[in-house]
Amino acid sequence: DSGVTQTPKHLITATGQRVTLRCSPRSGDLSVYWYQQSLDQGLQFLIQYYNGEERAKGNILERFSAQQFPDLHSELNLSSLELGDSALYFCASSPKGVAADTQYFGPGTRLTVL
Amino acid sequence: EDKVVQSPLSLVVHEGDTVTLNCSYEVTNFRSLLWYKQEKKAPTFLFMLTSSGIEKKSGRLSSILDKKELFSILNITATQTGDSAIYLCAVTFNNDMRFGAGTRLTVKP
Repeated sequence: DSGVTQTPKHLITATGQRVTLRCSPRSGDLSVYWYQQSLDQGLQFLIQYYNGEERAKGNILERFSAQQFPDLHSELNLSSLELGDSALYFCASSPKGVAADTQYFGPGTRLTVL
Repeated sequence: EDKVVQSPLSLVVHEGDTVTLNCSYEVTNFRSLLWYKQEKKAPTFLFMLTSSGIEKKSGRLSSILDKKELFSILNITATQTGDSAIYLCAVTFNNDMRFGAGTRLTVKP
């Protein structure tokens, strides 16, 4: 158990809908990362927040957005969902969010878009 | 285009064998290279490398980075069935991070 929690574990929804994935980092970690893992694209970095502010951005679509709240939990919002958004979404946390940090992954949220 | 390439994509060995997994990269403003092990669910961190030529070691696993030739290797000695997993290499650069496709290692008894 990494100490990172993600809810929900599974989510099934329809195309065009909007969903919110939630992540609670390890106690004391200031940085949160979001990743998408699909069969055809592998693991892709989406976005990183550090202490409430966006720190780094990867291959995140405009239909996706994220934020980190004062209590350091983070939410990833996915809107206008498409079939291709079906994937496992991981959140990870690290103490400082710098290159030297170890990232601890949560168990993931499996999103299925029908 | 920034990319991370792992080889082989798949590898089957027997217990006790030694394996070498490769990760090559082409990115601008390299910061670090990370190795992860992914079994059934979430990746677990193995190593982070930032300096060339310095070996990181943990038990039967070791890794080294060559920043001149832009690659890293992950060695696993005396493999066990519990080593069966997907091994992922990731490179951080600028404010981004790119993963390789992974190497699926299967260790047979």
